[in-house]
Amino acid sequence: DAGITQSPRHKVTETGTPVTLRCHQTENHRYMYWYRQDPGHGLRLIHYSYGVKDTDKGEVSDGYSVSRSKTEDFLLTLESATSSQTSVYFCAIRMGGENTEAFFGQGTRLTVV
Amino acid sequence: DQQVKQNSPSLSVQEGRISILNCDYTNSMFDYFLWYKKYPAEGPTFLISISSIKDKNEDGRFTVFLNKSAKHLSLHIVPSQPGDSAVYFCAASWSGWGKLQFGAGTQVVVTP
Repeated sequence: DAGITQSPRHKVTETGTPVTLRCHQTENHRYMYWYRQDPGHGLRLIHYSYGVKDTDKGEVSDGYSVSRSKTEDFLLTLESATSSQTSVYFCAIRMGGENTEAFFGQGTRLTVV
Repeated sequence: DQQVKQNSPSLSVQEGRISILNCDYTNSMFDYFLWYKKYPAEGPTFLISISSIKDKNEDGRFTVFLNKSAKHLSLHIVPSQPGDSAVYFCAASWSGWGKLQFGAGTQVVVTP
Protein backbone atom coordinates (compact mmCIF):
# COMPACT_ATOMS: atom_id res chain seq x y z
CA ASP A 1 0.00 0.00 0.00
CA ALA A 2 1.60 3.22 -1.20
CA GLY A 3 -0.56 5.35 1.10
CA ILE A 4 -2.12 7.60 -1.52
CA THR A 5 -5.59 9.01 -1.06
CA GLN A 6 -7.44 11.09 -3.62
CA SER A 7 -10.49 13.16 -2.76
CA PRO A 8 -13.16 13.46 -3.85
CA ARG A 9 -13.55 10.21 -5.81
CA HIS A 10 -16.39 11.59 -7.91
CA LYS A 11 -17.49 15.12 -8.62
CA VAL A 12 -19.97 16.82 -10.90
CA THR A 13 -19.55 20.55 -11.32
CA GLU A 14 -20.85 23.31 -13.52
CA THR A 15 -18.91 25.08 -16.22
CA GLY A 16 -17.10 28.12 -14.88
CA THR A 17 -16.86 27.01 -11.28
CA PRO A 18 -13.55 26.43 -9.49
CA VAL A 19 -12.68 22.88 -8.49
CA THR A 20 -9.90 21.55 -6.27
CA LEU A 21 -8.79 17.94 -6.17
CA ARG A 22 -6.64 16.70 -3.34
CA CYS A 23 -3.93 14.08 -3.26
CA HIS A 24 -2.64 13.01 0.12
CA GLN A 25 0.28 10.72 0.87
CA THR A 26 1.09 9.25 4.25
CA GLU A 27 4.87 9.19 3.78
CA ASN A 28 7.42 11.82 2.85
CA HIS A 29 7.93 11.04 -0.81
CA ARG A 30 9.46 13.78 -2.86
CA TYR A 31 7.80 13.40 -6.25
CA MET A 32 4.05 13.77 -6.76
CA TYR A 33 2.19 13.90 -10.06
CA TRP A 34 -1.20 14.74 -11.48
CA TYR A 35 -2.32 12.96 -14.65
CA ARG A 36 -5.53 12.89 -16.59
CA GLN A 37 -6.75 9.87 -18.50
CA ASP A 38 -8.85 10.23 -21.61
CA PRO A 39 -9.76 7.65 -24.28
CA GLY A 40 -7.10 7.46 -26.97
CA HIS A 41 -4.65 9.62 -25.04
CA GLY A 42 -3.45 7.41 -22.24
CA LEU A 43 -2.17 9.18 -19.15
CA ARG A 44 -1.12 12.75 -19.77
CA LEU A 45 0.89 14.69 -17.24
CA ILE A 46 -0.72 17.90 -16.00
CA HIS A 47 1.72 19.07 -13.33
CA TYR A 48 4.23 17.49 -11.03
CA SER A 49 6.07 18.43 -7.86
CA TYR A 50 9.59 17.61 -6.77
CA GLY A 51 9.29 19.11 -3.30
CA VAL A 52 7.40 21.56 -1.12
CA LYS A 53 6.62 24.64 -3.21
CA ASP A 54 8.56 23.10 -6.14
CA THR A 55 6.29 22.35 -9.08
CA ASP A 56 6.56 22.20 -12.84
CA LYS A 57 4.25 21.93 -15.80
CA GLY A 58 3.44 18.81 -17.73
CA GLU A 59 2.17 18.45 -21.27
CA VAL A 60 -1.45 19.52 -20.61
CA SER A 61 -1.13 22.19 -17.91
CA ASP A 62 -3.32 24.91 -19.47
CA GLY A 63 -6.33 25.63 -17.26
CA TYR A 64 -4.81 23.92 -14.22
CA SER A 65 -2.78 25.10 -11.28
CA VAL A 66 -1.21 23.18 -8.41
CA SER A 67 0.08 23.82 -4.96
CA ARG A 68 2.19 21.88 -2.53
CA SER A 69 2.52 23.70 0.76
CA LYS A 70 3.42 20.57 2.71
CA THR A 71 5.03 17.30 1.70
CA GLU A 72 1.97 15.14 2.10
CA ASP A 73 -0.56 17.15 0.08
CA PHE A 74 -0.62 18.03 -3.63
CA LEU A 75 -3.63 20.03 -4.77
CA LEU A 76 -4.87 20.38 -8.33
CA THR A 77 -7.13 23.36 -9.06
CA LEU A 78 -9.27 24.04 -12.08
CA GLU A 79 -9.75 27.78 -11.80
CA SER A 80 -12.79 27.85 -14.08
CA ALA A 81 -13.90 24.38 -15.11
CA THR A 82 -14.71 23.67 -18.76
CA SER A 83 -16.35 20.65 -20.38
CA SER A 84 -13.00 19.68 -21.92
CA GLN A 85 -11.73 19.06 -18.40
CA THR A 86 -14.22 16.24 -17.90
CA SER A 87 -11.85 13.36 -17.27
CA VAL A 88 -10.48 10.89 -14.78
CA TYR A 89 -7.67 12.40 -12.73
CA PHE A 90 -4.94 10.33 -11.15
CA CYS A 91 -2.41 11.31 -8.58
CA ALA A 92 0.86 9.41 -8.39
CA ILE A 93 3.89 9.37 -6.13
CA ARG A 94 7.39 8.14 -6.68
CA MET A 95 8.61 6.39 -3.61
CA GLY A 96 12.30 6.64 -4.36
CA GLY A 97 14.39 8.82 -6.63
CA GLU A 98 13.83 9.75 -10.22
CA ASN A 99 14.26 6.35 -11.82
CA THR A 100 11.88 4.39 -9.66
CA GLU A 101 8.35 3.21 -10.13
CA ALA A 102 5.41 5.49 -9.48
CA PHE A 103 2.34 4.40 -7.53
CA PHE A 104 -1.09 5.70 -8.35
CA GLY A 105 -4.16 6.68 -6.40
CA GLN A 106 -7.61 5.34 -7.22
CA GLY A 107 -8.56 8.31 -9.35
CA THR A 108 -11.15 11.11 -9.31
CA ARG A 109 -13.87 11.10 -11.92
CA LEU A 110 -14.73 14.71 -12.71
CA THR A 111 -17.69 15.68 -14.86
CA VAL A 112 -18.13 19.29 -15.93
CA VAL A 113 -21.68 20.04 -17.13
CA ASP B 1 4.79 15.84 -28.49
CA GLN B 2 4.15 12.13 -28.01
CA GLN B 3 7.53 10.76 -27.01
CA VAL B 4 6.20 7.36 -25.98
CA LYS B 5 4.00 5.53 -28.46
CA GLN B 6 1.92 2.41 -28.28
CA ASN B 7 0.68 1.92 -31.79
CA SER B 8 -1.62 -1.02 -31.13
CA PRO B 9 -4.76 0.12 -29.33
CA SER B 10 -5.96 -3.43 -28.78
CA LEU B 11 -4.78 -7.03 -28.67
CA SER B 12 -6.79 -10.21 -28.44
CA VAL B 13 -5.05 -13.42 -27.36
CA GLN B 14 -6.14 -16.90 -26.38
CA GLU B 15 -5.70 -18.09 -22.83
CA GLY B 16 -2.40 -19.91 -22.44
CA ARG B 17 -0.75 -18.18 -25.39
CA ILE B 18 1.82 -15.40 -25.37
CA SER B 19 0.79 -11.74 -25.33
CA ILE B 20 3.30 -9.34 -26.85
CA LEU B 21 2.82 -5.63 -26.30
CA ASN B 22 4.99 -3.09 -28.05
CA CYS B 23 6.14 0.41 -27.22
CA ASP B 24 8.34 2.85 -29.13
CA TYR B 25 9.98 6.00 -27.88
CA THR B 26 11.65 8.95 -29.56
CA ASN B 27 13.69 10.58 -26.80
CA SER B 28 17.16 9.02 -26.63
CA MET B 29 17.60 10.49 -23.14
CA PHE B 30 15.11 8.00 -21.67
CA ASP B 31 16.95 5.49 -19.49
CA TYR B 32 14.21 3.93 -17.41
CA PHE B 33 11.10 2.23 -18.68
CA LEU B 34 8.04 0.84 -16.96
CA TRP B 35 4.89 -1.10 -17.69
CA TYR B 36 1.60 -0.58 -15.90
CA LYS B 37 -1.65 -2.49 -15.93
CA LYS B 38 -5.01 -0.84 -15.44
CA TYR B 39 -8.44 -2.28 -14.72
CA PRO B 40 -11.59 -0.16 -15.16
CA ALA B 41 -12.34 2.20 -12.26
CA GLU B 42 -8.96 1.55 -10.66
CA GLY B 43 -5.62 3.33 -10.69
CA PRO B 44 -2.78 1.92 -12.79
CA THR B 45 -0.64 -0.65 -11.01
CA PHE B 46 3.06 -1.11 -11.58
CA LEU B 47 4.07 -4.33 -13.34
CA ILE B 48 7.71 -4.34 -14.27
CA SER B 49 10.51 -1.96 -15.15
CA ILE B 50 13.84 -1.98 -16.92
CA SER B 51 16.87 0.24 -16.83
CA SER B 52 18.70 1.12 -20.04
CA ILE B 53 21.80 -0.75 -18.83
CA LYS B 54 19.85 -3.99 -19.32
CA ASP B 55 18.13 -5.49 -22.34
CA LYS B 56 15.85 -7.88 -20.48
CA ASN B 57 14.09 -8.08 -17.15
CA GLU B 58 11.90 -10.92 -16.02
CA ASP B 59 9.36 -11.25 -13.23
CA GLY B 60 7.28 -14.41 -13.22
CA ARG B 61 5.09 -14.48 -16.31
CA PHE B 62 6.17 -10.99 -17.35
CA THR B 63 9.32 -10.18 -19.32
CA VAL B 64 10.30 -6.80 -20.68
CA PHE B 65 12.79 -6.49 -23.54
CA LEU B 66 14.59 -3.29 -24.42
CA ASN B 67 16.20 -2.55 -27.79
CA LYS B 68 17.93 0.78 -27.35
CA SER B 69 19.18 1.08 -30.90
CA ALA B 70 15.63 0.72 -32.19
CA LYS B 71 14.16 2.75 -29.31
CA HIS B 72 11.73 -0.08 -28.75
CA LEU B 73 10.54 -2.09 -25.80
CA SER B 74 8.13 -4.94 -25.51
CA LEU B 75 6.28 -6.76 -22.76
CA HIS B 76 5.75 -10.50 -23.03
CA ILE B 77 3.14 -12.24 -20.91
CA VAL B 78 3.44 -16.01 -20.87
CA PRO B 79 1.08 -17.75 -20.45
CA SER B 80 -1.76 -15.28 -20.79
CA GLN B 81 -4.58 -15.65 -18.28
CA PRO B 82 -8.12 -14.22 -18.22
CA GLY B 83 -7.11 -11.93 -15.33
CA ASP B 84 -4.58 -10.30 -17.65
CA SER B 85 -7.41 -8.63 -19.55
CA ALA B 86 -6.74 -4.95 -18.89
CA VAL B 87 -5.21 -1.85 -20.43
CA TYR B 88 -1.41 -1.84 -20.43
CA PHE B 89 0.61 1.37 -20.47
CA CYS B 90 4.30 1.77 -21.08
CA ALA B 91 6.11 4.74 -19.56
CA ALA B 92 9.56 6.29 -19.69
CA SER B 93 11.75 8.73 -17.80
CA TRP B 94 15.39 9.69 -17.47
CA SER B 95 17.73 10.53 -14.64
CA GLY B 96 17.58 14.18 -13.76
CA TRP B 97 14.14 14.64 -15.29
CA GLY B 98 11.36 14.13 -12.80
CA LYS B 99 8.62 13.58 -15.37
CA LEU B 100 7.20 10.19 -16.21
CA GLN B 101 5.72 10.01 -19.69
CA PHE B 102 3.14 7.43 -20.76
CA GLY B 103 1.95 5.90 -23.98
CA ALA B 104 -1.70 5.78 -25.02
CA GLY B 105 -2.20 2.21 -23.82
CA THR B 106 -3.08 -1.17 -25.32
CA GLN B 107 -6.30 -2.95 -24.39
CA VAL B 108 -5.61 -6.66 -23.95
CA VAL B 109 -8.42 -9.18 -24.05
CA VAL B 110 -7.63 -12.78 -23.13
CA THR B 111 -10.23 -15.19 -24.48
CA PRO B 112 -10.90 -18.71 -23.17
